[in-house]
Amino acid sequence: DSGVTQTPKHLITATGQRVTLRCSPRSGDLSVYWYQQSLDQGLQFLIQYYNGEERAKGNILERFSAQQFPDLHSELNLSSLELGDSALYFCASSARDGSDTQYFGPGTRLTVL
Amino acid sequence: GENVEQHPSTLSVQEGDSAVIKCTYSDSASNYFPWYKQELGKRPQLIIDIRSNVGEKKDQRIAVTLNKTAKHFSLHITETQPEDSAVYFCAASNQGGGADGLTFGKGTHLIIQP
Repeated sequence: DSGVTQTPKHLITATGQRVTLRCSPRSGDLSVYWYQQSLDQGLQFLIQYYNGEERAKGNILERFSAQQFPDLHSELNLSSLELGDSALYFCASSARDGSDTQYFGPGTRLTVL
Repeated sequence: GENVEQHPSTLSVQEGDSAVIKCTYSDSASNYFPWYKQELGKRPQLIIDIRSNVGEKKDQRIAVTLNKTAKHFSLHITETQPEDSAVYFCAASNQGGGADGLTFGKGTHLIIQP
């Protein structure tokens, strides 16, 4: 157990819908990262937050957004969902920005029908 | 941006033999290179990492080597065991600038034959 928690574990929804994935980092960690894992694209970095502020953006679509709250938990919002958004979404956390190991949560499996 | 290539995509070795997985990266500013192990349906778990000021790092049966000039790094697993069967990912990032999302390779499916 890495100490990073994610909810829900599984999510099934329809095309065009919007969903929110939630992540709680390890106690004391200030940085949160979101990654998408799919068979065709592999593991891709989406976005990073540090202590409530956006720090870096990767291959995140405009239909996706995220935020980190004052209690340091983070939410990833996916809207206008398409079949191709079906994937495993992982959250990771690290203690600081730029110097520490990233620990991954158990992931949320999103299925878009 | 950074691009990480990983080879081979599948590696089958006899139990007790060694396994080597190789990665190359494109961005000379990258300075942090972790390796993650992922079992089916589970989260990626860090098994070893190396920073660019070090050429080699060992942890029991696992070692990682880094060649900054050639921009490649490798994972070595000795005396392989059945529980080593999994998908292994290499990754790279530029730590220190505050923005350090990992760029991953496509993964290597390691199969340990009994």
